Amino acid sequence: DTVLTQSPALAVSPGERVTISCRASESVSTLMHWYQQKPGQQPTLLIYLASNLESGVPARFSGSGSGTDFTLTIDPVEADDTATYYCQQSWNDPRTFGGGTKLELK
Amino acid sequence: EVQLVESGGGLVQPGASLKLSCVASGFTFSDYWMSWVRQTPGKTMEWIGDIKYDGSYTNYAPSLKNRFTISRDNAKSTLYLQMSNVRSEDTATYYCTREGATEALFDYWGQGVMVTVSS
Repeated sequence: DTVLTQSPALAVSPGERVTISCRASESVSTLMHWYQQKPGQQPTLLIYLASNLESGVPARFSGSGSGTDFTLTIDPVEADDTATYYCQQSWNDPRTFGGGTKLELK
Repeated sequence: EVQLVESGGGLVQPGASLKLSCVASGFTFSDYWMSWVRQTPGKTMEWIGDIKYDGSYTNYAPSLKNRFTISRDNAKSTLYLQMSNVRSEDTATYYCTREGATEALFDYWGQGVMVTVSS
């Protein structure tokens, strides 16, 4: 299975720029997607195909990368962005998720 | 508005069977592939499997395909997950998800249903 590795946690102040990384154990082309999960809620899709913003998602969110290295950027960060962010690949079978990055606001 | 509502979870003994349901609304259910995804208490996310829009094809994570079966009833806009011979490691929140129109991503998620496997 394709292993996706994310940093466990980050802490930033509102108004700052934050980058969340996801590294794949093998190439996933650009078939990488990002989800946000707020405490006690189900995940929601933020970014698909590495860099495409899902409808209704604020333009503060952006994604980039291809192959094995991907980044989710939030700029500027707002208090409401407190959540865990997951990457997910759909290039290789089975689909796999990263372990999640918990974003905390200072 | 797309809605996915799961049910059927609860406390179940090891070795038992359990069937989860997911009722969909707000979109044409028979047009979409659907998946089940689970999240462990430690927050690890795992894709379980999916089913083609007409129910003619299913695909599973290799580690689960012998015990889990996905089916659907398009007339009832309902997705199912049959779990058999459950184990303690199946304890998780189970999410019904809609797959994107062109890619194997999950563009809508239900609120999730908790399954606890314990004696």
